[in-house]
Amino acid sequence: NAGVTQTPKFRILKIGQSMTLQCTQDMNHNYMYWYRQDPGMGLKLIYYSVGAGITDKGEVPNGYNVSRSTTEDFPLRLELAAPSQTSVYFCASSLIGRGRGETQYFGPGTRLLVL
Amino acid sequence: TQLLEQSPQFLSIQEGENLTVYCNSSSVFSSLQWYRQEPGEGPVLLVTVVTGGEVKKLKRLTFQFGDARKDSSLHITAAQPGDTGLYLCAAYFSNDYKLSFGAGTTVTVRA
Repeated sequence: NAGVTQTPKFRILKIGQSMTLQCTQDMNHNYMYWYRQDPGMGLKLIYYSVGAGITDKGEVPNGYNVSRSTTEDFPLRLELAAPSQTSVYFCASSLIGRGRGETQYFGPGTRLLVL
Repeated sequence: TQLLEQSPQFLSIQEGENLTVYCNSSSVFSSLQWYRQEPGEGPVLLVTVVTGGEVKKLKRLTFQFGDARKDSSLHITAAQPGDTGLYLCAAYFSNDYKLSFGAGTTVTVRA
């Protein structure tokens, strides 16, 4: 199993450009998550999905959109990139999400720089 | 948003020394996890603690969950350079299935 894979690894965007961060998992997990990690700030949840066709906002959803058309894929869309979106983005997945210690498996991250 | 505080923010020690990292909250956790993250990679789960007062050991790492389930600590004995990394605590609160993360402790072990 490859686990959770993310592409691209690194991207530079100009202000106002758009892009999609790709995330795929091959563990047949129901739950998928997008986080952003800023220095000294920990990981903040952007969006999550409890299954194909179902998504919901996390703590910091503004400026982002997601879709979940299949169990495997959970892309994150930035429509109008802003410098505040410069960050490292992590996708994660878990089999279930009942909040009692379920393990989340993380991808290697996408480093995004908006200039 | 539930707040998790980690201390210290940075820790630099010599190989062979011991270290302890702390994670605290004003709210009760339903469970708490410790992750380690190496540069350029995603976090990897080290342990999950669920029961107040629980102690778990993973080789040279000892994890403790406070009796009141509001705090946790990670102790590393005889640290090695391979222990270098960012240590993150993360907690589930009540029945919320969203994981809340602390800001992390950056540990550097010098050879």
